[in-house]
Amino acid sequence: QSALTQPASVSGSPGQSITISCTGTSSDVGSNDLVSWYQQHPGKAPKLMIYEGSKRPSGASNRFSGSKSGNTASLTISGLQAEDEADYYCCSYAGSSTLVFGGGTKLTVL
Amino acid sequence: EVQLVQSGAEVKKPGESLKISCKGSGYSFTNYWIGWVRQMPGKGLEWMGIIYPGDSDTRYSPSFQGRVTISVDKSINTAYLQWSSLKASDTAMYYCAREYGNYLDYWGQGTLVTVSS
Repeated sequence: QSALTQPASVSGSPGQSITISCTGTSSDVGSNDLVSWYQQHPGKAPKLMIYEGSKRPSGASNRFSGSKSGNTASLTISGLQAEDEADYYCCSYAGSSTLVFGGGTKLTVL
Repeated sequence: EVQLVQSGAEVKKPGESLKISCKGSGYSFTNYWIGWVRQMPGKGLEWMGIIYPGDSDTRYSPSFQGRVTISVDKSINTAYLQWSSLKASDTAMYYCAREYGNYLDYWGQGTLVTVSS
C-alpha cells in the first residue's frame, strides 16, 4: 500500500486556476470514485474539501472541484485567492476498509 | 455541532507507554467510524486505522499493524490510540477524525506526541 503521488508544489497568481494531480493505481484511485481532498493550513487540522471524487461538503467553497481520469484524480481551484495558500492532500479508498493519502502538495499564491 | 476533542500534548521517553484520546460529541458516536492519522514533523498525512464504536470492529493500515492499538469506550464516546513501547520515531502530531463513506469529514484538533530521552 504505497502513498499516492502528488506534485510537491504548485503555484499560481490571484484569480488564476490551478490543478493538483493525484496518481495512484488500479487498486486504489482507479478502482473507485472514493477520492477525497483535504486542505491544511500551517498549524491547523486538515479540512475536507472534496469527497467521492467531485462532491463538495457544506462549507467548502464552490471554487474547488474534483475529477478523475483512470488512475489519476485532480483537484482544481479556480479564482485563486490568498487564503487558498495551504497544503493539499488527496486520499483514496484502497480496499479492505483502508485509506491511503497522497504525499501532499504545497500551494503558493504568488 | 459535531466535535472531536483530543487529549493534550504528551512528552515521553523511549520505551514508555502512552494512550491518547478523542472524545466525540454532537452526533451518534456509535454509528460512525473513527480514524487516526499521523503527521510526522514537516511531513504528510498517514492513515493509521479505524474503529467502529458500535461493535469495536477495528482495521489497521499494514504500516501500523502491531505497532499501535486502537480502542474505544462507547459509554463515554471516546476513542483511543495507544503504544506499549514508544520510539523516537513516534514523535508526531496525531489526529482523530470521523470517517464516513471512506472520507474524513470532521477532525480533532490534534495531539502532539514527543518522544525524547
